[in-house]
This record gives sequence, C-alpha cells and structure tokens, in this order.
Amino acid sequence: DVKVTQSSRYLVKRTGEKVFLECVQDMDHENMFWYRQDPGLGLRLIYFSYDVKMKEKGDIPEGYSVSREKKERFSLILESASTNQTSMYLCASSFGNSPLHFGNGTRLTVT
Amino acid sequence: GQQLNQSPQSMFIQEGEDVSMNCTSSSIFNTWLWYKQDPGEGPVLLIALYKAGELTSNGRLTAQFGITRKDSFLNISASIPSDVGIYFCAGRFNNNDMRFGAGTRLTVKP
Repeated sequence: DVKVTQSSRYLVKRTGEKVFLECVQDMDHENMFWYRQDPGLGLRLIYFSYDVKMKEKGDIPEGYSVSREKKERFSLILESASTNQTSMYLCASSFGNSPLHFGNGTRLTVT
Repeated sequence: GQQLNQSPQSMFIQEGEDVSMNCTSSSIFNTWLWYKQDPGEGPVLLIALYKAGELTSNGRLTAQFGITRKDSFLNISASIPSDVGIYFCAGRFNNNDMRFGAGTRLTVKP
C-alpha cells in the first residue's frame, strides 16, 4: 500500500517566518505534487515535480518554492509566510498515469 | 487553470437514502477520478474511470465517465453514517494536469 507521509499535521507560524513542509513517499513514484485546500475552492495545485531536481509551477505558485533533492522527498517552502497562506496543504504522489495518492495533510496557521 | 463544476456543494440525507453528485467541465478529460476525504485526513481514491462511457462500481458506489468526456457522476446507494465526508471529483488530461471539483460535503443522519 502506498504511503505518503507529511511530517506535521498542524503548524502555527508567525507572519514573515520561513516555513518548510515536508513530504515523503515510499513507493518510488516519480511524480509528486503540492496542493492547498480551501473551503469552496477545492484543491489547487501549487507545484509539482516529475523527477529529482525537476519542478514545475502549478496554478498558484506565488509565495511558494519547492525542493526535490531525492526521489522520495518533496518539500514545500514558504519563503516569508503571510496570513493568506493559512490553509490545509496536501502532498500527493503518483506513478505514470496512475491516480494520485495523498498524504493526511498539514494544517498551517499563519498569525 | 479551470476547476471543475461539482454539484451539489452539500447534501443532508437520511441513512438508507441514495445519493447522486456530478461534475462538469468545459474541457475534455482522459481520466475521471472520485475521491473521499474524511475529517482530518487526506483524500482517498474511490473510483477511477479511464474510458468515455465507462460505468464502474465499487461496493455501494457507482461512477460513470460521460460520453462527451466532459462530465462524470457518482452515486452512493443505501447510505450509511460512515459515508459522511467530502467527495471530490478530479479530471485529468495528461500526467500532471489534474483538475479538482470544489467538493460535495455529505451529511448522513441516522
């Protein structure tokens, strides 16, 4: 069974802090994704990666960056957290055309 | 990027009733997926559809890939309390271009 693990379930950070959200998958998937989930808006793609050291912008990349140094790990970075980045963040991975497998999410609050 | 139009936004039903929800898009997709999200958890895949017209069941769940490739529906028969959650549709054209609906929040009253 695929396991996508997000390192934190809940985070509270201050405005202006640099924030790292970590995601690890154990199935050797080449594709990894970061989404944010907000009520009424569904899931919106921030960034994705289809290989180590490769990254592509999604629909809402502003204010975020990512890092994929190893195949199993995909990190989302908020360079300077702002209150409008308070949200649920979901990491996912997939192999080829297979459906996405999601982690349990990180609920980030920026005060 | 355009999101999908998913309806209804929420449903309040009695245990034992059947449920129907759908997604539409102005774009065509090669794959339609339906996910369920329980409170505090990530979405979990329920059903994947890969061909226009395909009708697939998973227990009490049935989903169809619309002939036009622009829509899909999910039916749940004889609902039970553990069906509570948010249901998301997702359409995918290629590997990394997946669009999600805003979700249908289902509440089941015992």
